[in-house]
Amino acid sequence: KAGVTQTPRYLIKTRGQQVTLSCSPISGHRSVSWYQQTPGQGLQFLFEYFSETQRNKGNFPGRFSGRQFSNSRSEMNVSTLELGDSALYLCASSRNSPEYTGELFFGEGSRLTVL
Amino acid sequence: SQQGEEDPQALSIQEGENATMNCSYKTSINNLQWYRQNSGRGLVHLILIRSNEREKHSGRLRVTLDTSKKSSSLLITASRAADTASYFCATGLNSYGGATNKLIFGTGTLLAVQP
Repeated sequence: KAGVTQTPRYLIKTRGQQVTLSCSPISGHRSVSWYQQTPGQGLQFLFEYFSETQRNKGNFPGRFSGRQFSNSRSEMNVSTLELGDSALYLCASSRNSPEYTGELFFGEGSRLTVL
Repeated sequence: SQQGEEDPQALSIQEGENATMNCSYKTSINNLQWYRQNSGRGLVHLILIRSNEREKHSGRLRVTLDTSKKSSSLLITASRAADTASYFCATGLNSYGGATNKLIFGTGTLLAVQP
């Protein structure tokens, strides 16, 4: 069974540009979450999607957005990039039903560098 | 910040020794999970303990949970060089009267196991 796939793995952008990151969850998983990891702030929750609906959102500015498609694949977009957006962006999927919280399966991440 | 804290921040031991990491959190939880991360890679789920459990074992891992103190510990017995990684605790929250896959991660413990 294929794991969570994130693309691209590495990318370099300049300030002011925008970026789109993609995540393909494990087959059958309908919940996708995104996390940002930086040395200073650690792992922070960005948003969660379940059946194409945003179910939860972290404390990030509106420049950060996401969506989920009918096949459960998800994308996140960051517009008007700032230096502080340099981070490892991790996607996680889960087969969980809404009744409980279980383990998350993480991808290898997309490492974004903003120059 | 809602983020939990882990102690110690870094731990260096010899192969064969036991490693103990502690985690404190701030909110009510349904479960507490431990994840492992190798050098900027994705996170791998290790073990989940529910709020009504006090102790759980999985292979060389032993997790305890004290909800009255809002704390947990992870014990890795007979450590190996391959256990070298960062270890994170994460707490699961409820949202909108149901479950969410949003996790609040701790700050992490960097474990180095010397061969």
